[in-house]
This record gives sequence, C-alpha cells and structure tokens, in this order.
Amino acid sequence: GAVVSQHPSRVICKSGTSVKIECRSLDFQATTMFWYRQFPKKSLMLMATSNEGSKATYEQGVEKDKFLINHASLTLSTLTVTSAHPEDSSFYICSASSRPTGGQYFGPGTRLTVT
Amino acid sequence: AQKITQTQPGMFVQEKEAVTLDCTYDTSDQSYGLFWYKQPSSGEMIFLIYQGSYDEQNATEGRYSLNFQKARKSANLVISASQLGDSAMYFCAMREIIQGAQKLVFGQGTRLTINP
Repeated sequence: GAVVSQHPSRVICKSGTSVKIECRSLDFQATTMFWYRQFPKKSLMLMATSNEGSKATYEQGVEKDKFLINHASLTLSTLTVTSAHPEDSSFYICSASSRPTGGQYFGPGTRLTVT
Repeated sequence: AQKITQTQPGMFVQEKEAVTLDCTYDTSDQSYGLFWYKQPSSGEMIFLIYQGSYDEQNATEGRYSLNFQKARKSANLVISASQLGDSAMYFCAMREIIQGAQKLVFGQGTRLTINP
C-alpha cells in the first residue's frame, strides 16, 4: 500500500510556458502533500506543504506566484511552474501523508527541462 | 546552521562487506524522528528505516540497522552484507513537528558504490 504517483515523469518545455505536475495518492487519502525540488547531485529541498482544501504553505525563498500548488482533493495535488525558465529545470518530487504529522510516501519524481 | 550532516560525499565498498554511513543531526526538540532513504539513479526515494527519538532500541529492517547514539546526536546507517544493488545515493533526514505540521530536513547525501 501507500503508493504515490506523479505525472509526467519527464517533461521538456520551452521558456515562458507553464507546466503542470500531478501528484496522486493511489490507495490512501492524503490530507497533506509536500513538494520538493532536487538539483543535480544535491539534496531534496522542501518547497511547500499543502493541506487538502486550504492554501499551501511555502518555504522561505520559494515564490508562490511562480510555483502554484493546488490540493483540491484528498488524492490529488498539482504543482504548476508558471512562465518557466531554464533555471527552473530540476527534479520535482512530491510526497503524501494521511496525517499532517504522519509518515511521508514519496512519488517517483518529475524531471523538468526548460529549453 | 545545518541540521542534518552527512560527512561522506562518497563511499566505496567491496561486495559482501558491511558499510556504515554517517549522519549527525542538530535539534533542541525532545521529540523527533530520523529516517534513511535510498535514491537510485531512477530518482525515486525509497524508505529504508526509521528511528524515533524515544525509541530505546536501535531500529533494524533486514540488512539495514540504525546505530542511534542520542547523546552524540548521531544516527548512522549500517548495511550488512552489501550487494551490488545497494549502489545509490543515501539520504539521512530528520522530521520536525512545528505548530502541528511536519517538516523533513535532508542531509547532503552519500553516494555509495559497491564494487564486485
């Protein structure tokens, strides 16, 4: 159990366009979802935490207008990278938890390349 | 200040040998959790083992064990009888609970290479 999926697994887009990444909990209800970013050969950095039905809480330094997060249901959260630029190229990983302080189950990640 | 420190950027070990990956942490909380994750080249984060700050015994999961030294604030991962498939990045992480919400803070990672 506790499977989290992400779609797409890879995406290439042109500079200036927007990209949406989906994170789904397949076999449990995720009251809380987390979005992380990982640069090559670096560690995971938390970008934001979202609770179903409420606004996401962004970490310091993360632009909320740049990285739009929607957690409209208990099984789906989306991250939209708006007006993407090459510096937004990164590996984006989501995780989901059935409780705000419960264990996190990670998705397989999405590799975004902005040309 | 770095809350999770992994001082070994890379480790090379012969197959079937045991290996210890170091992790030290910094927190003033009494209640916290420590995790180890494996990240192969595919990128997925694979949960390996968990240790709660109040757990008196070291956590074990198959070939993985966590050497928890609370006074030293260290949580080293020990992999016994290493296998070629163990080659990957390994991340230590600490979970903090802040105002009813959790945050996972990751270390810099250690790249483990198992040689045949």
